[in-house]
Order: sequence, then structure tokens, then C-alpha cells
Amino acid sequence: AQKVTQAQTEISVVEKEDVTLDCVYETRDTTYYLFWYKQPPSGELVFLIRRNSFDEQNEISGRYSWNFQKSTSSFNFTITASQVVDSAVYFCALSEADNAGNMLTFGGGTRLMVKP
Amino acid sequence: DAGITQSPRYKITETGRQVTLMCHQTWSHSYMFWYRQDLGHGLRLIYYSAAADITDKGEVPDGYVVSRSKTENFPLTLESATRSQTSVYFCASSVGATNEKLFFGSGTQLSVL
Repeated sequence: AQKVTQAQTEISVVEKEDVTLDCVYETRDTTYYLFWYKQPPSGELVFLIRRNSFDEQNEISGRYSWNFQKSTSSFNFTITASQVVDSAVYFCALSEADNAGNMLTFGGGTRLMVKP
Repeated sequence: DAGITQSPRYKITETGRQVTLMCHQTWSHSYMFWYRQDLGHGLRLIYYSAAADITDKGEVPDGYVVSRSKTENFPLTLESATRSQTSVYFCASSVGATNEKLFFGSGTQLSVL
């Protein structure tokens, strides 16, 4: 069975600090997909990134970067020079390639608070 | 570009009552989903639909009923609401089959008293 663990339930940083959100996953499949979603205070979840299990190349998008390491089953998310607008709940999620209905398994989420 | 619209945004009901949460999407996405969000559990899949008239259970389907007579609508019904169904409910859609990114609605906050 697939499982996603986000051990950090809440993180508080001061603006301009770098912050890393951890995500550890479990799966028996060799082909799977990992996602990060952002849930701002407005409530609607917003897609950030999707990676497949065969692509371990790290990705950078502006102040956001993702570190995918199959050896440790982790897909961590780093925000560089954090801003108040980054305050949100962030979810990591896993989908196995052969699951019947795009069944995403979400982690419990990490609430990030960026203080001015 | 309306996207996904959920209604109502907030709902308070009593134990035993029937409640229907509405979800409408304007993209003609094939797949639609209902998730519930609870503290400590992240989001859990209740039901999903691959196309009109095709629905299937997710992780936590008990106490819920869905239908999809039209591609754009995917209502979720609580036939006899219980306090354990107090939650935030999210509808989502995706373009294709497995592993596509999801587009979420704004959620419905449901309280069962």
C-alpha cells in the first residue's frame, strides 16, 4: 500500500529565510508519480509540481526547488528566501502508475507560516 | 475561465439529514473526484468518476453516494449525515487518466451537529 509522511506538521520562519519541507513516501511499485500541492488560506489546492519515478533530476522554479531521492524515498521541497505569500499548507502526494483511478495518496500536510 | 465551482461554500446540518454537495466543472475533464480533508489525515478520496455514468469508490466511501449523469456535474450526497462527516470537502478534476495533475474547487466546509 502506498503511504506519504510529512513529519513536520507546522513550520514557522521569518521572511527571507530558506525552508525545507520534508516528504517521505512508501510504495511497492517501480513506476509512480510524486506531487506537491499548495493550499493557501483561501482554501483551494494549487498544483506545484509532478515528478515520475524515473526522473530523479532536481528541479528549480524560481524560489522553489525539489530534491527527489529514490535511495531515501524522499521528495523534499525547498523555498529559498521565503515570503509572507508563501504561508500556506503544503501537501505531498503519491500516485502509483497502475492504480485504477488516479488515486492520489496525500500526506498530512505541513503548515508553513512566514512572518514578516 | 470558471474552472470548478463547488456549492455551497459552507453548510451546517443536523445528524440524520440528507445533504448534497454540488460540483460543476467547465473544462469537460473526464475525471472527477471527491476528497475530504481532516486534520492529520491530509486529503482522502471518497469517490471518483472516469466519465459520465462511471463512478467508483475511493478510500473512504461509506455513507456517501455520487452520481454523474453529465460530464460537468458530480454531486456528492450524504444520505444520513453523521458527526464524523464534519469535514472540508473538495471536488477536483483532471484531464485524463492516471497520474495527471488535479484541479481543485474551493471546497465546502460541512458541519454536522
